[in-house]
Parts: sequence; structure tokens; C-alpha cells
Amino acid sequence: EIVLTQSPGTLSLSPGERATLSCRASQSVPSSYLAWYQKRPGQAPRLLIYGASSRATGIPDRFSGSGSGTDFTFTINRLEPEDFAVYYCQQYGNSYSFGQGTKLEIK
Amino acid sequence: QLQLQESGPGLVKPSETLSLTCTVSGGSISSSSYYWGWIRQAPGKGLEWIGSIYYSGSTYFNSSLKSRVTMSVDTSKSQFSLKLRTVTASDTAVYYCAGDSNGYHHWGQGTLVTVSS
Repeated sequence: EIVLTQSPGTLSLSPGERATLSCRASQSVPSSYLAWYQKRPGQAPRLLIYGASSRATGIPDRFSGSGSGTDFTFTINRLEPEDFAVYYCQQYGNSYSFGQGTKLEIK
Repeated sequence: QLQLQESGPGLVKPSETLSLTCTVSGGSISSSSYYWGWIRQAPGKGLEWIGSIYYSGSTYFNSSLKSRVTMSVDTSKSQFSLKLRTVTASDTAVYYCAGDSNGYHHWGQGTLVTVSS
């Protein structure tokens, strides 16, 4: 089972700033099958990035992902008010698992 | 556009079986491109993957829940289902069904299931 560890647990930033989130896997994620989701209260998760770096349909290019193997990064440029939410990484290359989440809050 | 909708009881008694169904519309549940999954989020907690099923019936489960979970698919009704046996209060959560095609691109709105007597 692949365990995903996200850091930081909470990130406090202001609108217009850049957010950088990390996801580290306990073993290599096959074929970079790593996704990032946004979760707002009362809403279903929303896929932002799949395959480590591909943006899902309709996702602005402010959102980007990178990485391979065991280390992955998710970046949001020029934070908008609606971006403040919880973000989860997920691997689907060896069964499935989610990270514990990073809360992005307004500073 | 693929749409998913969960249905089932919102209240289940401890030690009983939680049963949920997800109806898929706007696309074929028999598509070879998709694995169909269940994910949950307990109050104040993160997302937890429960299990996945392919249209052929092949299943994959979270090891921590495997002994209590059954999943099935009914292609004639475009539905797949989850059964979680012997529930306790810790199984109280919002349960989501989702479609995986290189990531969970499609999600149901979620349904809250409370385990309480």
C-alpha cells in the first residue's frame, strides 16, 4: 500500500500569492499516476491535475503539477479568493490512496 | 457529460449493513475506460478510498475495510453498488461515488450516511 504524506498541513497565504503544496509517496508511484483534488465544504471533490502534470477539463492554467517517483508538487499561481480550500493528492498507480490533505487558508 | 448519483438510506443502525447505489448517466457504465469507485469523508476528516469495481465485476478494496465491503455492478441498470457490513459510528460519513479514467474526473454529489440507533 502506498502512503501519501502531504505538507504543509495548513498554508496561510493572501490572494495574489503563490501556493506550493507537496505530496510524498512511501514508494514510487507507477507511471506518475498522481492526481490533485480541490475540496470545498459541502461540495464533491474536483479533479484539478491528473497524471502528475495534466490539467483536467476547464481547469485554469494557474494550477499546475509536477514531479515523479515519490515526490510531487502542486502549485497555484496568483491565488484567487475561491482557491482557499483543502487540497488532496491521490495515487492510482498501485491500488488507490489519498494524502491527508493540505488546508489552504486566507492569511 | 457523465453524471453520477448516489442513493440509499441516510440512517443505518450500528451492526447493520450500509447499502448504497450509484446510477451512471450520460455515458456507458460498460466503458472500458472507467473504473467505478466509492470514496468517503467522515466529519472533520480527509478523503478515504473505499474500493473500485470494473464493469466486468473485478474489484479492489481498501485493505482496512476489505473484510466488510462488497461491491457489485449491474450494467443493465447502469448502476454499481456498495455494501458495508457491521457498521459502527466511525462509518458515519459522506459517501461519494466516482468514475476513474486516469483520475476521478466525475463525482456524484455525495450522500450523508449516519450510523446511529
